[in-house]
Amino acid sequence: GDSVTQMEGPVTLSEEAFLTINCTYTATGYPSLFWYVQYPGEGLQLLLKATKADDKGSNKGFEATYRKETTSFHLEKGSVQVSDSAVYFCALTPGGGGSNYKLTFGKGTLLTVNP
Amino acid sequence: DAMVIQNPRYQVTQFGKPVTLSCSQTLNHNVMYWYQQKSSQAPKLLFHYYDKDFNNEADTPDNFQSRRPNTSFCFLDIRSPGLGDAAMYLCATSRGHTQYFGPGTRLTVL
Repeated sequence: GDSVTQMEGPVTLSEEAFLTINCTYTATGYPSLFWYVQYPGEGLQLLLKATKADDKGSNKGFEATYRKETTSFHLEKGSVQVSDSAVYFCALTPGGGGSNYKLTFGKGTLLTVNP
Repeated sequence: DAMVIQNPRYQVTQFGKPVTLSCSQTLNHNVMYWYQQKSSQAPKLLFHYYDKDFNNEADTPDNFQSRRPNTSFCFLDIRSPGLGDAAMYLCATSRGHTQYFGPGTRLTVL
């Protein structure tokens, strides 16, 4: 079945540092790929997504590129802020048509950014 | 703004006392989901509705039920909460592959 593997962390960075959170996946066909962010005590917020190979999703300074050849969707940000402290989930939904939109999540990565 | 709303944000119940959590959406999405999330874990899908069609995950306990009276509303009923059911419950909606989540309801079982 489909699976997502991501850096489990925790990751601790200083403000303005460069962030990479690795995410790789196993799935048949061409899944859609997502990064969700969860702030303490809150629900999940969609951060960015990509639906086909070589697509780059971006939002709020975060970027991730859908790499079919390496089955990866690594999250990057050039300069993190204290307000980026949260848990980040990489996830996918199956490719193809039909009505199967079940999300498969990675285990999440806790990011703490210190001033 | 179109959104997913969950009420209440915090719910306290007693062991064995039935509890209902609610979710509403203004996105007019045809699919609605309920997830359970325990501390430091990824959300776990309990069930989802595709329009009026109910789809239960194989490992969802019978203690958990759901109702969707119309497109906008969906309810999660826990018939006899146990201590192990204390968690964050997340509602999500989608039309297509992208799911949008509500803020969650934190359930405490005493």
